[in-house]
Amino acid sequence: QQKVQQSPESLTVSEGAMASLNCTFSDGTSDNFRWYRQHSGKGLEMLVSIFSDGEKEEGRFTAHLNRASLHVSLHIREPQPSDSAVYLCAVSMDSGYNKLTFGKGTVLLVSP
Amino acid sequence: GGIITQTPKFLIGQEGQKLTLKCQQNFNHDTMYWYRQDSGKGLRLIYYSITENDLQKGDLSEGYDASREKKSSFSLTVTSAQKNEMAVFLCASSPDKHSGNTLYFGEGSRLIVV
Repeated sequence: QQKVQQSPESLTVSEGAMASLNCTFSDGTSDNFRWYRQHSGKGLEMLVSIFSDGEKEEGRFTAHLNRASLHVSLHIREPQPSDSAVYLCAVSMDSGYNKLTFGKGTVLLVSP
Repeated sequence: GGIITQTPKFLIGQEGQKLTLKCQQNFNHDTMYWYRQDSGKGLRLIYYSITENDLQKGDLSEGYDASREKKSSFSLTVTSAQKNEMAVFLCASSPDKHSGNTLYFGEGSRLIVV
């Protein structure tokens, strides 16, 4: 069964400094990787999805995928206090009816 | 654009009670999902439905029933509420079952068992 682990559990960065979050997965046949954000009491907002090795940028959010290392990361450029939220990594497989397996999340706090 | 509406936002029930959460989407999406979110445990899939009247069990289906009588709605029933089931339940939809489609999430319903 797919296992998805995120690190660190929590991260504090200063406004404007780069924030980097990590996610490892166990099933090497996975082919869809997504990063979601969840503000307190709200639903999930998708930030970026990536399907092939390399990087993908969506605004200030960049995902890096290295399938051989079973690793996907998210980098947030110039984070703002409004970016403070829980960041969730989600992984799925092509044959899986778009079912996602989530990590437990990283709590990001951006201090002014 | 579209929206996913979950009702109620808070559902308070007694132990042993049967409780139902509802989800409506106006995206005209084929596929819908119910996830449970526990603090410190991430999201886990309870049920999903590929199309109207279809039901598929997820990893956490025991103790739950689901119903997809219309394309736009997907309901989840806790058959006998227990105190260890207090969690946030998130509904999602996707254009179809193919991997790679974006899942759109509602804001969640919090279940409180007294």
